[in-house]
Amino acid sequence: QTVVTQEPSFSVSPGGTVTLTCGLRSGSVSTSYFPSWYRQTPGQAPRTVIYSTTTRSYGVPDRFSGSIRGNKAALTITGAQADDTSDYYCVIYMGNGTWMFGGGTKLTVL
Amino acid sequence: QVQLMESGGGMVQPGRSLRLSCAASGFTFSDYGMHWVRQAPGKGLEWVAVIWQDGTNKYYADSVKGRFTISRDNSGDKLFLQMTSLRVEDTAVYYCVRDPNEYNSNYYGDSFDLWGQGTRVTVSS
Repeated sequence: QTVVTQEPSFSVSPGGTVTLTCGLRSGSVSTSYFPSWYRQTPGQAPRTVIYSTTTRSYGVPDRFSGSIRGNKAALTITGAQADDTSDYYCVIYMGNGTWMFGGGTKLTVL
Repeated sequence: QVQLMESGGGMVQPGRSLRLSCAASGFTFSDYGMHWVRQAPGKGLEWVAVIWQDGTNKYYADSVKGRFTISRDNSGDKLFLQMTSLRVEDTAVYYCVRDPNEYNSNYYGDSFDLWGQGTRVTVSS
C-alpha cells in the first residue's frame, strides 16, 4: 500500500491553475520531511521541479511553486501550459534514513 | 560532461542474482550521496537504497532489505547494487541518482539532482 498519497490524475485547461498535493496516509507532511517534486515524461528519466518544499530547480519557470497546504505538500502550476503535461511525483524523507515516493499524478493540460 | 551511466541490467530467473553498476563522470563522486530508484513497467517511482559519501552509512527500502546491497568505489567513481534472491516484482528500470546533501544533515539540497538513464532488469522464469 502507498503510504505517500497523490492524486492519480488531474486535468487543467491551458492558462489555468492547478495544485497537486502530497500527503501521508497517517500524519502530516511538514517542511521537516523536505518534500520534493519531480516530473517525468514517457521514456525519460525524472527531473526536478521543486525541492526542499519550495525551492525551484534551476531553469524551472516561476509558474511552478511549492508549499505546505494544511497537512500536505503542494505543487501549484499557475498559468499551465501544454508542455506541463507530465507525470509528477513527490518524494519525502521519512526521517529514518529512507525516502518514499508518492504514487504519482498524471497531469494533462488540455 | 556531468552524467551517470547505469549498466548490468538484463533478464534473470527468480531466485538468481544480478549486479548493477553506475559510472559517474564530470563531478567529484566522493562528494555525493548516491541513491538507487526503480520503476516497474507502467508504475511509479520507488526509492530503493542510499549510500552516503564515505560508504559507511547505507539505508534500504523494506521491500529490498536483506536481499539488495548498495556499495560504492570512490576511487573508481562507481556505484553498485548487488541484487540477490530476485523476485518477479523486482522487475523494473533501475536508476542511479546523485544526492548533494551530507549524511545526517538537513536535506535542504535536491536529494535527487542528477539521474542516469536507467538500466532494465527483468525477473522472469
